Parts: sequence; structure tokens; C-alpha cells
Amino acid sequence: ETGVTQSPTHLIKTRGQQVTLRCSSQSGHNTVSWYQQALGQGPQFIFQYYREEENGRGNFPPRFSGLQFPNYSSELNVNALELDDSALYLCASSPTGGRQETQYFGPGTRLLVL
Amino acid sequence: EDQVTQSPEALRLQEGESSSLNCSYTVSGLRGLFWYRQDPGKGPEFLFTLYSAGEEKEKERLKATLTKKESFLHITAPKPEDSATYLCAVQAGFTGGGNKLTFGTGTQLKVEL
Repeated sequence: ETGVTQSPTHLIKTRGQQVTLRCSSQSGHNTVSWYQQALGQGPQFIFQYYREEENGRGNFPPRFSGLQFPNYSSELNVNALELDDSALYLCASSPTGGRQETQYFGPGTRLLVL
Repeated sequence: EDQVTQSPEALRLQEGESSSLNCSYTVSGLRGLFWYRQDPGKGPEFLFTLYSAGEEKEKERLKATLTKKESFLHITAPKPEDSATYLCAVQAGFTGGGNKLTFGTGTQLKVEL
């Protein structure tokens, strides 16, 4: 069974640029959630995708957007990057997105905005 | 708004010195409380899920318990390889659907020889 994978592992961008991060969910999982983790903080929920539809969103501006594909992989896009966007971006998958389900996390993408 | 507070922020133990980590929470209808372990620069690794007050779960040197207001992660006779940040998260009655997790800021545990 393949776990959650993310790419790239590290990324450096400059302020104002755009970035796309990718996630492949664990085999058999159709729900993907994205979280942002700043240094020394717990992960913060960005949004969740279930069967290619956004299924919940946290307190993040519209320049954070996403997609989920028919194979349940997902992308996180961030436009007009700001210095505060520097963080570890985590993807998590779960079987059906149902309540009480465990979410399994990938290794994350470390984004640095200069 | 759902809130999760973890204490202490950091904990240093000698090998074999047992202790407990605390996670207090305020949520509108707890669906589940989750414990994760996170090593530096890596994604959180799932440890336990607790669903109702009075529930307990164990795995090797770790034991998690749940009350109506807080959860404890007990570490018995820790080893240096238990050094990590331990994260607590809750899943509440999220009206927007799905299974959003609200995390605390974690307890950074260091176990020394």
C-alpha cells in the first residue's frame, strides 16, 4: 500500500510569484485535505477536496486554491506569494472524508518565500 | 470557535522517566480526538484516535486517555527514539462538511540518555 506522497520536497520563490504543490493520496482514499504549518505551530486547515469538489475551507484568502483530479491526486495553488506564506505545506488523505475518519499525512513541501 | 491547547510546550526527560502530556480542548460537539507524532521537517505520523470520554488506547510505551475536557498522552519509560513533537487535534461538528482537524501547537519532547 502506497502512502501519501508530495512534490516537490522543497521550493524557493520570491514575493509575488505563483506556486503549485502536488499530492498523491494513499491508495483507496478519495479525500484530500491541505494544511499549512508555520514554524513552531500546529497545522492549519486550508481546504478539503472530496471527489473533485471542494468540501470545506479554512480561514485562507482566495489566492489559495486547489484542484482534485479523477485519480484523487490534488494540487494546491498559491498566487501572489507573500513572505508569511513561508511554511511546511501538508497534504492528508482519508478514505471517504467521513467524520471520525483518520487523516494520513504526507511528508510535506517546505516553501520559502524571499 | 474550536480551540486546542497543549502543555507543556517543551519537556525534557531522562530515559526511563515517565511523564504525561496534556491536551485541553473546547469544541462544539467532539467527533474525535487525534494524537500524532511529528519528527523535525516531516509530516505528522498517526498514533491514536479517541472518540468518547473514558476511552483509552495503548501502543508500546504510549497510552492516550480522554475526558470531556482534555486528553492525556502518557509516556512510560521513554527512550531517546521517542523524542519528537506530539500534536493533538480535534474533529468537531464541522457544518461545512468533511473532517477538518483543528490542531494544538504541540509538545516538543526530548528524551536524554
